[in-house]
Amino acid sequence: QSALTQPASVSGSPGQSITISCTGTSSDVGGYNYVSWYQQHPGKAPKLMIYDVTNRPSGVSNRFSGSKSGNTASLTISGLQAEDEADYYCSSYTSSSTRVFGGGTKLTVL
Amino acid sequence: EVQLLDSGGGLVQPGGSLRLSCAASGFTFSSYAMTWVRQAPGKGLEWVSSSSGGDYTTYYADSVKGRFTISRDNSKNTLYLQMSSLRAEDTAVYYCAKGGVVRGVFEYWGQGTLVTVSS
Repeated sequence: QSALTQPASVSGSPGQSITISCTGTSSDVGGYNYVSWYQQHPGKAPKLMIYDVTNRPSGVSNRFSGSKSGNTASLTISGLQAEDEADYYCSSYTSSSTRVFGGGTKLTVL
Repeated sequence: EVQLLDSGGGLVQPGGSLRLSCAASGFTFSSYAMTWVRQAPGKGLEWVSSSSGGDYTTYYADSVKGRFTISRDNSKNTLYLQMSSLRAEDTAVYYCAKGGVVRGVFEYWGQGTLVTVSS
């Protein structure tokens, strides 16, 4: 159950777009369309941003979008805003009937 | 309104036991899968265990299998995590979440409860 691979940090200026990658294997990300993304601000519980690779829950800004190609899923945030600064985690179902999270990516809005 | 209230955390010695609770409200608890996720201080999220809706099949991470037991009391709308043979590396904030292991759609989370394993 190795963690999915995410970049440790990404940054962008307000108004720009950034993409966070999440790389797994054919036994997790590549094998199922059950990838979700979470935003976490310091000291707070995680917040669901994307589920089933591309779907946004009600209330989540359409500036957030998800995609997948092969064993890599991606979260794109367009029109960066200061409040987007947070940690982001991907998660996937696995062939072992477990769930695995990525190591997390710290987004800094410059 | 869906609410999840985590409790039961505290300081425990290595090798000890602790039971966490998650009181749920605002939805038909018995019909839904539930999950525990933990986060060690300064570290990332780690999936711990899930209980599916319906048949209540249980799932565990390898790191806790054989030591932790997830259970639920549908009459009390409460999810539990019984933790035994605790180790220093189990020190974390433990969150319960509404949702199951397969889709991992964790739209609702508890506030978390801190477990510290130390002598």
